[in-house]
Parts: sequence; structure tokens; C-alpha cells
Amino acid sequence: AQSVSQHNHHVILSEAASLELGCNYSYGGTVNLFWYVQYPGQHLQLLLKYFSGDPLVKGIKGFEAEFIKSKFSFNLRKPSVQWSDTAEYFCAVNNYGQNFVFGPGTRLSVLP
Amino acid sequence: GAGVSQSPSNKVTEKGKDVELRCDPISGHTALYWYRQSLGQGLEFLIYFQGNSAPDKSGLPSDRFSAERTGGSVSTLTIQRTQQEDSAVYLCASSPRLAGSLSYEQYFGPGTRLTVT
Repeated sequence: AQSVSQHNHHVILSEAASLELGCNYSYGGTVNLFWYVQYPGQHLQLLLKYFSGDPLVKGIKGFEAEFIKSKFSFNLRKPSVQWSDTAEYFCAVNNYGQNFVFGPGTRLSVLP
Repeated sequence: GAGVSQSPSNKVTEKGKDVELRCDPISGHTALYWYRQSLGQGLEFLIYFQGNSAPDKSGLPSDRFSAERTGGSVSTLTIQRTQQEDSAVYLCASSPRLAGSLSYEQYFGPGTRLTVT
């Protein structure tokens, strides 16, 4: 069965710090990869996605993620976080014919 | 355009009662998913519909849980004889997934917060 792990449960950063959130998955075949974000009191929104092609994908609000197939990883990065990035971040994987599998989430707190 | 909507937004019920949660997907989206999000937990997959059929019910935690989808649109998730451990946020998502499509994404609704007392 597929599984998704996220390295950090809770990350605390100051504004302007750089961010990297880890995501690893277990499935060995072709996968689609996603990062979703849930701001306080809001519903889940798609941040970025990888289907194929360039393994470095750019999303909204200055976020990017890199798919490294050999490491089964899809880490999320942002060079300079803002207070408004405070949210919960979920990595998700799906492959053809299967459901989406979500990681447990990483809570990001950005201190002003 | 309109996103995924869910109703009610909040539901408080007594242990042992039945509840129905509703999801209205984005118009034209063929796939519909139900998830459960408990406090401090990730998303737990419950069931997935492609059109009106449910090819994957593997996530339903017990036979007290059931779901249906009619007309390829609205879906209801029913929990019978609710228990306190059913308290969670129930999320619905829809996707423009077409049979045979390799790449698609989900669009989430705001969720229904269920509290069983």
C-alpha cells in the first residue's frame, strides 16, 4: 500500500527565513504529487502539483517543490516565508487507478 | 465559479443517532471523494465515486458508514448509530477525473464538523 510521510510535525520560523518541508512516499510506479495548504479556518487548497516533465514545479505564493524520483521525495520550499504562510501543509500522492494518499501534515508557524 | 459545497457546516448529535452529510461537487466533475480529518491527524480516505459507482469503498471504517451518489452529482455520507470516535471534520472533494486519465487534482469543500456527544 502507498504511504506518505512528512518529516516534521510542527515547524516554527521567523519571517524571511527559508522553508523546506520534507515529503517522502512509498509507491514505486508512476505517481502524481501534490502539496495542499490549509490556512486557519479555511478549506484545503492546492499549492502545487507534479504530473510529468520538469521535476521542479512552481506553485502559488512563491512556493516550489522538487520531485526527486530516486529518493521518492517531493519537498516543498520557499526562500522567504511570511506571517501569512502560517498554515498546515499536506503532501499527497496518487497513481493511476488509485486513490489519493495524504501525509499527516506539517504545521507551519511563522513568527512576525 | 462555484466550488465544492458541503452541508451542514457543523453538526452536533447525540451518541446513537444517525447523521447525513451532504456534498455538492463542482459541476461536471465526475469523481467525488470523502475523507475524514480528526484533530491533529491527516486526511483519512473513506470512499471514492466515479460517476454514481463507488469503485473504492476500502476506507469506510465500519458498516455504520455508507455513502451514495445520485445523478453523478450530489453525494450523501450517512453514519448510523454515531459513536464519539466518529467526531471529526468530514471533507468532500471533487475532481474532473475522466476514466483513463492519468493526471487530475482534487478540489476540496469546506468540510462538515461533526461532534458526537
